[in-house]
Amino acid sequence: GQQLNQSPQSMFIQEGEDVSMNCTSSSIFNTWLWYKQEPGEGPVLLIALYKAGELTSNGRLTAQFGITRKDSFLNISASIPSDVGIYFCAGRAETSGSRLTFGEGTQLTVNP
Amino acid sequence: NAGVTQTPKFQVLKTGQSMTLQCAQDMNHEYMSWYRQDPGMGLRLIHYSVGAGITDQGEVPNGYNVSRSTTEDFPLRLLSAAPSQTSVYFCASSRTGPGGGNQPQHFGDGTRLSIL
Repeated sequence: GQQLNQSPQSMFIQEGEDVSMNCTSSSIFNTWLWYKQEPGEGPVLLIALYKAGELTSNGRLTAQFGITRKDSFLNISASIPSDVGIYFCAGRAETSGSRLTFGEGTQLTVNP
Repeated sequence: NAGVTQTPKFQVLKTGQSMTLQCAQDMNHEYMSWYRQDPGMGLRLIHYSVGAGITDQGEVPNGYNVSRSTTEDFPLRLLSAAPSQTSVYFCASSRTGPGGGNQPQHFGDGTRLSIL
C-alpha cells in the first residue's frame, strides 16, 4: 500500500514559537489534507490542498503542496496552548482512487 | 447539527463475540468510510462506500464486514472478535470522495473497542 512518512513524531515547544511538520510519500499524490485530533475526539480537517505548489492558510496555520507532489508541509505560527493535539497529514495517491492514506501523526505539546 | 454519530462510544467484548459498530450521518453525504486508529500507526482504512449499495475494501479489511443499505447509515460488523481488533474506530463521511473538490471529510468521535 501507500506509505506516508510524517515527521517529527512529537514536538515540545514554548508558547509563541513557530512549528513546522512535514509528510513525504513514496508515490505521487494529487491531494494533501491536514487534520488535528484532540483527546477523545475524531480528527478535524484543517487545510486541504489540491494542486502542486499550492500554499493555503487557515488563521495561523499554513500548508503547502510540494512541487514534486510527494510531500507537504504544515506550519503553525505563534503557537498557543490550545494548539496542543495530534496533527495528521493525509493524502490521496493518483493510483488509489478515492482512498486516503494517513501519516502516523505529530504530537504537539505547547508549554505556556 | 449531529454530523457523524457513532455508537457505542465504548465497548468491551470477549474473543469470538460479534458486534456491530453503528455510524450515521445526517448531511446526505455519498462517501462514508471506516478507519481504525492504533498507537503510532495513524488511521488505517478498513472499508469505504461511495454510495448506497456500493462498498469496497480498504487497507485492513480482514475480520470486518460492512453494508450500505441507506445513504445515512454505514455499520461495521465484527463477525468473531479477536484481541488484535482492540482499537479506536472512526467513521467519516464526505459529499464526494475525500479528495474531491473542496468537500471536507467529517469524522465521528470514535468507538473505543477492547477485545479480551
